[in-house]
Amino acid sequence: SQKIEQNSEALNIQEGKTATLTCNYTNYSPAYLQWYRQDPGRGPVFLLLIRENEKEKRKERLKVTFDTTLKQSLFHITASQPADSATYLCALRADSNYQLIWGAGTKLIIKP
Amino acid sequence: DGGITQSPKYLFRKEGQNVTLSCEQNLNHDAMYWYRQDPGQGLRLIYYSQIVNDFQKGDIAEGYSVSREKKESFPLTVTSAQKNPTAFYLCASSLAGGIAYNEQFFGPGTRLTVL
Repeated sequence: SQKIEQNSEALNIQEGKTATLTCNYTNYSPAYLQWYRQDPGRGPVFLLLIRENEKEKRKERLKVTFDTTLKQSLFHITASQPADSATYLCALRADSNYQLIWGAGTKLIIKP
Repeated sequence: DGGITQSPKYLFRKEGQNVTLSCEQNLNHDAMYWYRQDPGQGLRLIYYSQIVNDFQKGDIAEGYSVSREKKESFPLTVTSAQKNPTAFYLCASSLAGGIAYNEQFFGPGTRLTVL
């Protein structure tokens, strides 16, 4: 079955450093992958989308890479700030019915 | 302000009762979705609708029902047949369903607790 894995343990990063989050998938060839941010008790907010033919996408301090050989996407936040603390979700488009399949998310904590 | 709203924010239900969660959007989006979020799990799709008067079951539709009589509204009913309904429910919309590379816009969620 199609499966998406994100680190279940919280990631603690010192303010100013680069935070890197991982999204791995199996049994799947996604056309694209999306990253969302979710704050406690709120709905997710879209951040970035990267297509299968794109290696890297940037938006301000955010960078996403997509390696279809490794079946992995990396999400980077440079010059991290305490306000970046949140849970980050990755989602892939399903093959057959265009639904999104979601990872469980990784909680990121930026310490001042 | 354009956006997607859900109500209520918190909902308590006794066992055996049906409850309806509201979802409204003024983004003029064709597609709308209902997800369930449980701790440690990814979002799971309950139902989705790509157009008015049409909707499809997601992965966990049993015990739930929806309607899509208006483009802007997609209410979800949690029936007594849903054995474990306590969860955080999220409604989302996107410009179009199908193969489009569309981001999804989410509402603030409804936390349902069965007493």
